Amino acid sequence: SQKIEQNSEALNIQEGKTATLTCNYTNYSPAYLQWYRQDPGRGPVFLLLIRENEKEKRKERLKVTFDTTLKQSLFHITASQPADSATYLCAPESGGSYIPTFGRGTSLIVHP
Amino acid sequence: GAGVSQSPSNKVTEKGKDVELRCDPISGHTALYWYRQRLGQGLEFLIYFQGNSAPDKSGLPSDRFSAERTGESVSTLTIQRTQQEDSAVYLCASSRIGGETQYFGPGTRLLVL
Repeated sequence: SQKIEQNSEALNIQEGKTATLTCNYTNYSPAYLQWYRQDPGRGPVFLLLIRENEKEKRKERLKVTFDTTLKQSLFHITASQPADSATYLCAPESGGSYIPTFGRGTSLIVHP
Repeated sequence: GAGVSQSPSNKVTEKGKDVELRCDPISGHTALYWYRQRLGQGLEFLIYFQGNSAPDKSGLPSDRFSAERTGESVSTLTIQRTQQEDSAVYLCASSRIGGETQYFGPGTRLLVL
């Protein structure tokens, strides 16, 4: 069955460092993959979408990579700030279905 | 225009009662999704509407759950005979068409006593 894995343990880093979050998936080949941010008590907010023919995508301090061979996406936040503290969800496209499957998310905590 | 809105924001009910949750999608968005998120857990897909097509109900956990949407407007999610395990945040999202980026509402926090 299709499976998405994101680190369940929180990632703690110091302000100014680069945060790297991992999303691994198995048993499907998504045409694209999305990353969302979720703050406590709120709905997820879309951040970036990367397609299978794109190796890397950037938006301001955010960078996403997509390795279809490794079946992995990495999400980087450079020059991290305490305001970046949130849970980050990855959502690979579900092989032609219009229903994306969301990972459980990784909590990022940026310490001042 | 405005984003996705949901009401009520919080709902406390007694076990066995019925509840109705409402979602107003972004105007012009043909696709609408309902998800459930239990405390500390990921998003659990419930149901998907696309325009006037028959909805995809494959995620509904039991026949106590149902949802309706008229055209491309408001949707309601109904839970009959609520159980304590139904306690969760119910999130609604809409997208321009199915498969595109989803825009989420703030959710309805349901507590079944």
